[in-house]
Amino acid sequence: SQQGEEDPQALSIQEGENATMNCSYKTSINNLQWYRQNSGRGLVHLILIRSNEREKHSGRLRVTLDTSKKSSSLLITASRAADTASYFCATDSSYYTGANSKLTFGKGITLSVRP
Amino acid sequence: EPEVTQTPSHQVTQMGQEVILRCVPISNHLYFYWYRQILGQKVEFLVSFYNNEISEKSEIFDDQFSVERPDGSNFTLKIRSTKLEDSAMYYCASSEEGGANIQYFGAGTRLSVL
Repeated sequence: SQQGEEDPQALSIQEGENATMNCSYKTSINNLQWYRQNSGRGLVHLILIRSNEREKHSGRLRVTLDTSKKSSSLLITASRAADTASYFCATDSSYYTGANSKLTFGKGITLSVRP
Repeated sequence: EPEVTQTPSHQVTQMGQEVILRCVPISNHLYFYWYRQILGQKVEFLVSFYNNEISEKSEIFDDQFSVERPDGSNFTLKIRSTKLEDSAMYYCASSEEGGANIQYFGAGTRLSVL
């Protein structure tokens, strides 16, 4: 798989359910970030987890990172119809390549939350 | 809330023509980026820019591409001679110095090469 591969590629759930999205990557990272993209819009930063962190919370978002497995998961609890969007993980290897380097994105997960 | 602004939102051009995509990054940010997303594919890094020079570029960013910060607020991407395969969404992003490299993206410019 390529750097920043998410699964599943598409997820459809009922409002109120939890949504879990996974991401795997291949190279060493400084941090991993999750972004959301609403249809026809730009990418919006959701949450960042550093390589020395294992879990982080922000509101209804919970992200985990397992550097030994080179994987991350994003959990959205109590989903809402407004959560319908594409979600991308992005890896940052700035520590290894220099300050504020590129982000490497996966192909994204399309989440549909049915009202 | 500060945001990255991109113009135009949609650009249609003929193959072989030059296009300039414009971006106004967040004012106190010092790192600027261009990414593109071909329909149905992943967001791909093109180039990063810091201190008035390119700091990193991908293999996509060949001699047909150039970037410029012509003044204190604008950041542009020029494609000299567009090809059909340049059709994509182009996103500008910026991040602050010394931060965690959280990149703030504009809404994108859809480039259609006919």
